[in-house]
This record gives sequence, C-alpha cells and structure tokens, in this order.
Amino acid sequence: GDSVTQMEGPVTLSEEAFLTINCTYTATGYPSLFWYVQYPGEGLQLLLKATKADDKGSNKGFEATYRKETTSFHLEKGSVQVSDSAVYFCALSDDTGGFKTIFGAGTRLFVKA
Amino acid sequence: DSGVTQTPKHLITATGQRVTLRCSPRSGDLSVYWYQQSLDQGLQFLIQYYNGEERAKGNILERFSAQQFPDLHSELNLSSLELGDSALYFCASSSASGRQTDTQYFGPGTRLTVL
Repeated sequence: GDSVTQMEGPVTLSEEAFLTINCTYTATGYPSLFWYVQYPGEGLQLLLKATKADDKGSNKGFEATYRKETTSFHLEKGSVQVSDSAVYFCALSDDTGGFKTIFGAGTRLFVKA
Repeated sequence: DSGVTQTPKHLITATGQRVTLRCSPRSGDLSVYWYQQSLDQGLQFLIQYYNGEERAKGNILERFSAQQFPDLHSELNLSSLELGDSALYFCASSSASGRQTDTQYFGPGTRLTVL
C-alpha cells in the first residue's frame, strides 16, 4: 500500500544553519505531495505542496521538489530561525488510486539561538 | 487562524462512554476531513465528507461514525470508548472540488482523554 517515510527526529540546529528533512514515498497512483508544520498546541498548517513530478513547492524560505525518479520530496531551508522550531509532516494525497491522505510520522525540529 | 473551528477543546471521559466532537468548516468549504493523532499511530486519516455525503474512508473503527449536516458542520461520534482512543482529533476542510489533493485547512483539534 501507499506510505510516507520521513527522517526521525528530533533534529537540533543552530540559528542560520541549513535544514534538510528527508521524505520518501510509495504510491500506486499519481499523488500530490505536501509538507505541513505543526507548532506547539496548534493544528497543522500547510507549508508547501507540489502536484506533479518536477514541481517545486516553496513558502517562507522552505522548498521541496517532487522527484518521481527517487520518489522523494525532501524539505530544505537555507537559514533556519528559532521560530521554525516545530514538527514537520510530509504527506501524500491521491485521488487516482483511491481517495486517501497519508502522513509521515513527523520530524521535530529544535532551533537554538 | 485557519477558519476551521472545533469544539470542545478538551474532553475527559471514562471507558465505555460515548462522545461527540464537532467541527465547523471554513466558510464556503464543502469538504470536511477527520484525523486522529496519537503517539503510537501518528496522524491517521479517518473519513471525509463532501457536501453531506461520505467521500472517502480511512482507518476508522466501526465504533466511530461521522456525519455532515446541511449547514456543512460535521460531527464525529466515538462510542464504547477504550483507553487507546485517547488522542488529538483534528478536523480539516477544503474547497469546493472535494478532491483529496486540495489544500486542507486544519482546526485546532479536540484532545480526548479516556480514563
């Protein structure tokens, strides 16, 4: 079945460091891919999305490229801030292989000043 | 603020009981999704409604049921509660197309504790 695997956390970085959170997926159809962020005590917020292969999603300095050949959607940011501390979820949604939305386990990011 | 509201914010109950969680989608959104977030299972899709009709079903137990009313608000009913049902329950809504690939806007969640 379809699945999403993302790197385990927590990830601890110093402010202004480069961030990569790996995400790979398996899917039978043609999914759209998402990154969501969850700040403490809040619901999930969409960070960025990509709907087809080679699309790049970007928002607030975060980027991720939909790579069909490597079935990956890694999240990157060039310079993290303390305010980026949160849990990040990679997810896929698919209407072609049966309606479904599948989330990864989440990666907690701590950014130190 | 996503525009999705959920009540109550917290709920504490006992095993064997039944509870109802309520969700109001963003203005204009026809789709409502329910998710369960627990430490051991992570974030799991439960069910989706679109304009009052069930659209997609995920890992929803038979003890759980949901409905969407004509005013588009939705309720998730959990019955015969077990300790393992303790979790955060999120509702999300999306735009008129009803596709799973639409951007979903999440509410703040209802934290259910079963004692």
